[in-house]
Amino acid sequence: ETGVTQTPRHLVMGMTNKKSLKCEQHLGHNAMYWYKQSAKKPLELMFVYNFKEQTENNSVPSRFSPECPNSSHLFLHLHTLQPEDSALYLCASSQALGASYEQYFGPGTRLTVT
Amino acid sequence: AQTVTQSQPEMSVQEAETVTLSCTYDTSESDYYLFWYKQPPSRQMILVIRQEAYKQQNATENRFSVNFQKAAKSFSLKISDSQLGDAAMYFCAYRSLNNNDMRFGAGTRLTVKP
Repeated sequence: ETGVTQTPRHLVMGMTNKKSLKCEQHLGHNAMYWYKQSAKKPLELMFVYNFKEQTENNSVPSRFSPECPNSSHLFLHLHTLQPEDSALYLCASSQALGASYEQYFGPGTRLTVT
Repeated sequence: AQTVTQSQPEMSVQEAETVTLSCTYDTSESDYYLFWYKQPPSRQMILVIRQEAYKQQNATENRFSVNFQKAAKSFSLKISDSQLGDAAMYFCAYRSLNNNDMRFGAGTRLTVKP
């Protein structure tokens, strides 16, 4: 595998379920990101990690819980979600933090909350 | 906070012709980065081109070029000799040098007609 991979690609869950999204990057990068892409809103940055440490949390509800065990893996744990949380969740990585570093995106997980 | 506006939800172009996608942004900062990302249907988002605000020269990448008007806060993307593979959603994005947030526009869906 090369680049940024995400699993699962599609997920349907009920509002009382607990599930996790996984992201893995094979690029040797040190920074990783979670984005939410909704049908009716621009892409929104959710969390930023640098060398496994969270550096940004853009006022994301606590029902979304990120985890970064190492620089190559990033998880998004989901619990008691709402239907409005249905969206495409994109993971990205970059060599380092900073505006000059290109972000490489994964294919996304299409989440549907029923 | 910075905002990014893409006023064209959809655009179409004839194969081999030229098309320009519009983007405007709002910021009080003097230094920043601007990006155009391409998201083909069911495929990963990839960087098309980037512009550093302190550089007056417009960025170019093969058939892709930008018209960066800093005073007008405008950052349009020109695609020359359009190809069928250029069909995608195109997102304009703003990145501050002062934080890790990246602000995206709502996107423009480009259709290329054979």
